[in-house]
Amino acid sequence: DTGVSQNPRHKITKRGQNVTFRCDPISEHNRLYWYRQTLGQGPEFLTYFQNEAQLEKSRLLSDRFSAERPKGSFSTLEIQRTEQGDSAMYLCASSLQGNYGYTFGSGTRLTVV
Amino acid sequence: GQQLNQSPQSMFIQEGEDVSMNCTSSSIFNTWLWYKQDPGEGPVLLIALYKAGELTSNGRLTAQFGITRKDSFLNISASIPSDVGIYFCAGSSYGGATNKLIFGTGTLLAVQP
Repeated sequence: DTGVSQNPRHKITKRGQNVTFRCDPISEHNRLYWYRQTLGQGPEFLTYFQNEAQLEKSRLLSDRFSAERPKGSFSTLEIQRTEQGDSAMYLCASSLQGNYGYTFGSGTRLTVV
Repeated sequence: GQQLNQSPQSMFIQEGEDVSMNCTSSSIFNTWLWYKQDPGEGPVLLIALYKAGELTSNGRLTAQFGITRKDSFLNISASIPSDVGIYFCAGSSYGGATNKLIFGTGTLLAVQP
């Protein structure tokens, strides 16, 4: 296993367009997390899944954001009608249940122009 | 979103010097972690702490879980150029079931050879 994989690494989109990011976690990890990181800040929690169930969503996750994890494997994060304020690094991480030291992917850097 | 207070914000040191940084929270945490992030990459776990007063080492890195459960410290001894990066503390609140982490604002470390 090569770790947590995120695609694409970079995405530039025009304001108002929809974008979708993919995360492939470490295969034996049942928990998957999405975080957002803006320049000069630490990552901020967006949402997490245990297997295929989405168990918590941050207030940061507006109704333009949706995340899925079908079959408890890979996950997608979709942003509809992107705004310039959505520009950030979107980080995915995975862990085994009860293990706080989760493994992050390299992130997807989104730029909305 | 909530972020932990991390200091110093940045450090510029000579190779071979020791480094200390700390992180404080207004609320009690039951887990503290320290991550390092290189430019354009996701954070990488350095040390995890699970018990108040715990002192844990990983090579030249040593971290401590404060006895008040509201702070943590990271020391790097004999710094080398590859220590350059941004160091983040992260904590998980007592009783939380999500493994959700709250991150600090980061300490930028620059090491001059």
